[in-house]
Amino acid sequence: GQNIDQPTEMTATEGAIVQINCTYQTSGFNGLFWYQQHAGEAPTFLSYNVLDGLEEKGRFSSFLSRSKGYSYLLLKELQMKDSASYLCAVLMNTGFQKLVFGTGTRLLVSP
Amino acid sequence: EAQVTQNPRYLITVTGKKLTVTCSQNMNHEYMSWYRQDPGLGLRQIYYSMNVEVTDKGDVPEGYKVSRKEKRNFPLILESPSPNQTSLYFCASKANPGPYEQYFGPGTRLTVT
Repeated sequence: GQNIDQPTEMTATEGAIVQINCTYQTSGFNGLFWYQQHAGEAPTFLSYNVLDGLEEKGRFSSFLSRSKGYSYLLLKELQMKDSASYLCAVLMNTGFQKLVFGTGTRLLVSP
Repeated sequence: EAQVTQNPRYLITVTGKKLTVTCSQNMNHEYMSWYRQDPGLGLRQIYYSMNVEVTDKGDVPEGYKVSRKEKRNFPLILESPSPNQTSLYFCASKANPGPYEQYFGPGTRLTVT
């Protein structure tokens, strides 16, 4: 079976840095996606990692360790608009390119 | 503008009354998929389609049907809706093949009473 774990909820202060962790145990792996989802809205793409290491994109960075089955999303200089859910998703290496989602981490940024 | 559209955005219906949720994309994507999102369960795949006339079951297909007669459209059909199908539904598409990002529609909030 597939198991993807994320913390349910996190809180942080405006201007701070927050790290959202994701651990996975899946029967196949072809990369890991992070999506952002504001309440009641569609998920939007943040990052994709397939090789070990850190990918930086502005205020957001994503890290992957394939050997440990571990990823994190790092958000710097937090803004109020970053209050949202962050979804970790594993791309399976099956022929039909299945994406398996974690349950998401709800981040609340306070002033 | 590149986008995935869904209709309706909100729907309240009664048990057993057939309904269709439409999904359309203008990006010429081969791959399309339907998900449902429930509190504490995350996004779960219902059905997907690799291309026209090619569809297959995802993780939670019971009670749903799909069709893919045209590349741009991928409707979700509930032949006899039940209250346990009350959920937030998302359609998504992506280019095929390759590990590309999926583009999601705005969602359809369905309530079955």
